[in-house]
Amino acid sequence: SAVISQKPSRDICQRGTSLTIQCQVDSQVTMMFWYRQQPGQSLTLIATANQGSEATYESGFVIDKFPISRPNLTFSTLTVSNMSPEDSSIYLCSVGGRVAGNQETQYFGPGTRLLVL
Amino acid sequence: QQQVKQSPQSLIVQKGGISIINCAYENTAFDYFPWYQQFPGKGPALLIAIRPDVSEKKEGRFTISFNKSAKQFSLHIMDSQPGDSATYFCAASMKGTGNQFYFGTGTSLTVIP
Repeated sequence: SAVISQKPSRDICQRGTSLTIQCQVDSQVTMMFWYRQQPGQSLTLIATANQGSEATYESGFVIDKFPISRPNLTFSTLTVSNMSPEDSSIYLCSVGGRVAGNQETQYFGPGTRLLVL
Repeated sequence: QQQVKQSPQSLIVQKGGISIINCAYENTAFDYFPWYQQFPGKGPALLIAIRPDVSEKKEGRFTISFNKSAKQFSLHIMDSQPGDSATYFCAASMKGTGNQFYFGTGTSLTVIP
């Protein structure tokens, strides 16, 4: 399985500011995903980020609010722009991988805990 | 629309008991069903997974039971331990969707000594 790190691990931000979250993987991966997990809730996919192409956003998420970069096969960033308290959440990076039988799966990073005041 | 429905929302089990978490799906195109375990302050970790061509998969104390006709699958934790206390998510995916996963709503498991 891939080893995934995220920076920062947590942050407290003021409303109206922006925060960029970094995701680093120890191996080259084609597919990377960004999720949001609100307290006590399930995981909601924000976007899929494949190297060499524009990120694909899910319904309810837009590029202006959550711009994503994917400069190479081991790194991606998610920016949460013009933050409001409603953006307080855990942001998770995941990567696509393969398990037995060539089955595609996903591995998650430790998450970034964001509190917006 | 919730693609994968998970129950119960929370579960309390005595140490040594069996924990059972259930998930149901509608889309018969799903062909991969993983379970994730998430401890507080951590990201979800892949625990065990199954494909619909088998009815059961066991890894240590963790077993997935899969009922294709009922479109249901469940996670059984045998001899539950306090260290198993975590939130468990089921998920489903299908080929051709760019590896998109559909997650259940999660089950908070507490194993009391």
